[in-house]
Amino acid sequence: AQSVTQLDSHVSVSEGTPVLLRCNYSSSYSPSLFWYVQHPNKGLQLLLKYTSAATLVKGINGFEAEFKKSETSFHLTKPSAHMSDAAEYFCVVSLTGTASKLTFGTGTRLQVTL
Amino acid sequence: DVKVTQSSRYLVKRTGEKVFLECVQDMDHENMFWYRQDPGLGLRLIYFSYDVKMKEKGDIPEGYSVSREKKERFSLILESASTNQTSMYLCASSLVSGGANVLTFGAGSRLTVL
Repeated sequence: AQSVTQLDSHVSVSEGTPVLLRCNYSSSYSPSLFWYVQHPNKGLQLLLKYTSAATLVKGINGFEAEFKKSETSFHLTKPSAHMSDAAEYFCVVSLTGTASKLTFGTGTRLQVTL
Repeated sequence: DVKVTQSSRYLVKRTGEKVFLECVQDMDHENMFWYRQDPGLGLRLIYFSYDVKMKEKGDIPEGYSVSREKKERFSLILESASTNQTSMYLCASSLVSGGANVLTFGAGSRLTVL
């Protein structure tokens, strides 16, 4: 069984300040972990993925995430927020090496203010 | 770039109508998925297909059926639409890359059932 918990449903930051979106997961086996972003009225786009290689994963648009097995976490960070980062972010877990279904978190809405 | 196209962005239907949601992908992906997205619930898997004429139920298949007659096309069917099926529907296709099942999403179809 697998599950994912996004700890904040809504995060608000000022432009130019760091972003932290938190995600904890539960998986019986070696997981693959993903972050997807959804801008308003758009589909989801892959930001980054972890598949048991390097624990620090770099993605698009300056985002990165660190896999911490001891804490069962996969938090998403960015050093400096931009207005265009305002969107909804989804943390996702699946079993590595399979085409089985993925389990999505409930999403974190990121607001970026001037 | 892989493209996943959902034929209708917005639909309004009446209770009891039969509804077809069409999805086409252009990169020869084996796997295709239909998700439903509701606020606060994230994405929930309705059905997925790993090959032509093959399908498996996801987490919430009740009230839905699917059809995959050709590799590039995956249709979601609501036999008799009900108001609780008002939602955003997202189609995705996937490639297993580096051991991870990486999804590419369409832009979504927002269905309102009156």
